[in-house]
Amino acid sequence: GAVVSQHPSWVICKSGTSVKIECRSLDFQATTMFWYRQFPKQSLMLMATSNEGSKATYEQGVEKDKFLINHASLTLSTLTVTSAHPEDSSFYICSASVRQGSNQPQHFGDGTRLSIL
Amino acid sequence: GQQVMQIPQYQHVQEGEDFTTYCNSSTTLSNIQWYKQRPGGHPVFLIQLVKSGEVEKQKRLTFQFGEAKKNSSLHITATQTTDVGTYFCAEGGNKLVFGAGTILRVKS
Repeated sequence: GAVVSQHPSWVICKSGTSVKIECRSLDFQATTMFWYRQFPKQSLMLMATSNEGSKATYEQGVEKDKFLINHASLTLSTLTVTSAHPEDSSFYICSASVRQGSNQPQHFGDGTRLSIL
Repeated sequence: GQQVMQIPQYQHVQEGEDFTTYCNSSTTLSNIQWYKQRPGGHPVFLIQLVKSGEVEKQKRLTFQFGEAKKNSSLHITATQTTDVGTYFCAEGGNKLVFGAGTILRVKS
């Protein structure tokens, strides 16, 4: 149980393209999902908290107009990297917890490797 | 916000040797979670420690939470090649705050 699916796994595209990444909780409902960014050999940096039916909460320094988050249902959150540039190339991972509330273990998607040429 | 410091950054051991990674905080932690990320993979939840002085074992892995709830450790006995990856501690809350991670390489 507690499977989080992320799609696509790999994206290679030209600079200026917008890229949408999907995160789905397959066997549970998640009112909250989290989006992280990870550079090679570095830790996970939280970008934003995605809240079902309401606006996402962005971490300091993360441009909300650059990284659009939509959490339209209890099982799906999407992250759109708008007008992507080479510096946006990274590993993007989403997570969700089975139970609501704080201190809950997170289940992660497989991640999306984004390469902007 | 809360910061969790994790050391060492990197450790390369011979298969069969032990391995330990440490996390420290300047303030009291409500809980500590541990995750393992295989090369090219995603983090996988290992355990959550909540109680002061808590010690938990999972086969060759031993997790400890300090008495003051300001530090935690993960110890692997007799490492195997399947143990390679990055081990992260994280403080749980409304959102996770991850340590920098310790990259473990095992020579066979």
